[in-house]
Amino acid sequence: EIVLTQSPATLSLSPGERATLSCRASQSVSSYLAWYQQKPGQAPRLLIYDASNRATGIPARFSGSGSGTDFTLTISSLEPEDFALYYCQQRSNWPRTFGQGTKLEIK
Amino acid sequence: EVQLVESRGGLVQPGGSLRLSCAASGFTFSSYGMNWVRQAPGKGLEWLSYISSSTTPIYYADSVKGRFTISRDNAKNSLYLQMNSLRAEDTAVYYCARGQFGDPYYFDYWGQGTLVTVSS
Repeated sequence: EIVLTQSPATLSLSPGERATLSCRASQSVSSYLAWYQQKPGQAPRLLIYDASNRATGIPARFSGSGSGTDFTLTISSLEPEDFALYYCQQRSNWPRTFGQGTKLEIK
Repeated sequence: EVQLVESRGGLVQPGGSLRLSCAASGFTFSSYGMNWVRQAPGKGLEWLSYISSSTTPIYYADSVKGRFTISRDNAKNSLYLQMNSLRAEDTAVYYCARGQFGDPYYFDYWGQGTLVTVSS
């Protein structure tokens, strides 16, 4: 099973700042990684797939990069609605696995 | 509009069974692989199972293999999860999720989730 480790666990920033979230895989997943956003009481929302492709309707301030074992989700300028939990997920192997999440909170 | 609506969960005793369903609408259900994902209270996401559009292949997480069974009825636009031998650690919100582009890769639409509590 591929283990995904996200860092930091919590990120405290202010609106307008740039956010950088990391996800590291225990073995190479090529570019087969996605990012999801989850707000309290809601289902997750797909943001980025295959490391760098924005899903339908996702604002351009969200971008993803990386390959192999190291990946980054960047939010260029934080909007109030961006403060949430973020998860990475790999589709390189079965079982599909998620990272433990990064909480992006308002500073 | 794509919609996925899970059936009501509930309280189940340890060792008991429960069948969840997920009603799909707004897309051609028979063309999409589907998944179940759960989230224990205050915890992260755990993928549980995948079923292809044509019913095979099927995959399970080790944590539920042999206890849970995924199935679908394309005529009824419905996905199911039969859960047997339930344990306290199965307590979670259960989501059905569509495979993006119909593929077994990522999850582009999710239901609202249904809470299953396993407790005596």
